[in-house]
Amino acid sequence: DVKVTQSSRYLVKRTGEKVFLECVQDMDHENMFWYRQDPGLGLRLIYFSYDVKMKEKGDIPEGYSVSREKKERFSLILESASTNQTSMYLCASSLPGLAVYNEQFFGPGTRLTVL
Amino acid sequence: AQSVTQLDSQVPVFEEAPVELRCNYSSSVSVYLFWYVQYPNQGLQLLLKYLSGSTLVKGINGFEAEFNKSQTSFHLRKPSVHISDTAEYFCAVSDYSDGNQFYFGTGTSLTVIP
Repeated sequence: DVKVTQSSRYLVKRTGEKVFLECVQDMDHENMFWYRQDPGLGLRLIYFSYDVKMKEKGDIPEGYSVSREKKERFSLILESASTNQTSMYLCASSLPGLAVYNEQFFGPGTRLTVL
Repeated sequence: AQSVTQLDSQVPVFEEAPVELRCNYSSSVSVYLFWYVQYPNQGLQLLLKYLSGSTLVKGINGFEAEFNKSQTSFHLRKPSVHISDTAEYFCAVSDYSDGNQFYFGTGTSLTVIP
């Protein structure tokens, strides 16, 4: 079974802190994604990566950056956390090739609270 | 960009009754359609997907969905629900002309009442 793990299930940070959310997948997937999930808004894509060191902006990249130094690991970085970044963050990965054809496998999510 | 509409934010239904969760998307020549389920405190998992071929797609846990191109819909159905089906359900659309992006609906919370 594909496993996508996220470093924390719950995280509490203060405004202005730099926050790292880590995601690791164990199935050699080339595509990886970061979403945030908010009530009434569904899932919104922040960034995705289709290869090591490659990244593309999604719908809401402002205030976030990403890093993919190894194929299995995709990090989401909040340079200076703000209260409006309080949310559930979901990482996903998918098989190589065009992601549109392929199922995305999700991690359990990290619920981030910024105070 | 695609837009995905799940009109029902909450659907309560009695155990063993049938259920339909609705999903509509913006018009496009070529789309790929997915339904995901999210159980409490878990990530999303795939229920079923439509890429091509038969418009009736069967998925896990007894769910099925029908692709209707003329109505741009992909409604999810189950003839008899169980308590364990209580979860959040997300419809997702991917448009071949729009690169690698998936577009998710806002979700429908299904509550099965004993």
